[in-house]
Amino acid sequence: GIQVEQSPPDLILQEGANSTLRCNFSDSVNNLQWFHQNPWGQLINLFYIPSGTKQNGRLSATTVATERYSLLYISSSQTTDSGVYFCAVSTGANSKLTFGKGITLSVRP
Amino acid sequence: DARVTQTPRDKVTEMGQEVTMRCQPILGHNTVFWYRQTMMQGLELLAYFRNRAPLDDSGMPKDRFSAEMPDATLATLKIQPSEPRDSAVYFCASGVSVGEQFFGPGTRLTVL
Repeated sequence: GIQVEQSPPDLILQEGANSTLRCNFSDSVNNLQWFHQNPWGQLINLFYIPSGTKQNGRLSATTVATERYSLLYISSSQTTDSGVYFCAVSTGANSKLTFGKGITLSVRP
Repeated sequence: DARVTQTPRDKVTEMGQEVTMRCQPILGHNTVFWYRQTMMQGLELLAYFRNRAPLDDSGMPKDRFSAEMPDATLATLKIQPSEPRDSAVYFCASGVSVGEQFFGPGTRLTVL
């Protein structure tokens, strides 16, 4: 099946710093989503982005489907950005999502 | 504000007992997924339905797990008998065909 690799596995930032989270995948995809799992365990949709670039406030994402990677940018980080960031993809007619192992982000005040 | 709902939010049970988890997908979504999250395995798909028909349950232990969708507004995941290794957070998600999926708050299951 498709492989999803996220990097770095852990990230510690000072409040106000910027960061880039990366997701590599091993096959063509028809769905790519970024999620934030908050400290209460909820999975929050950040972006649905099988290709192209999107922005939502301090967050933006870019997927280069031909090169099989996606990037999530966090600018001016806040303590509430802490948590685990997951990239998940699906391929072909099968819509089940395959998740990466996640990136644990800690933003310190 | 449309969202996926799950009940119960927390469940503690003893080994051998039956557990039933329920999910109400977002109205109009035709695809419903059950995922499980553990520290060891991460997030993995158990089963999913499209237009209430099961499409893939290859991630589910067949001898003890069963998933059904009795109507468009209700999906159930049942474990019988439950075992300590089933302890995990179970998420339901819904979407439209191969599009964006939205996750419920999860059911945290602890089997003693």
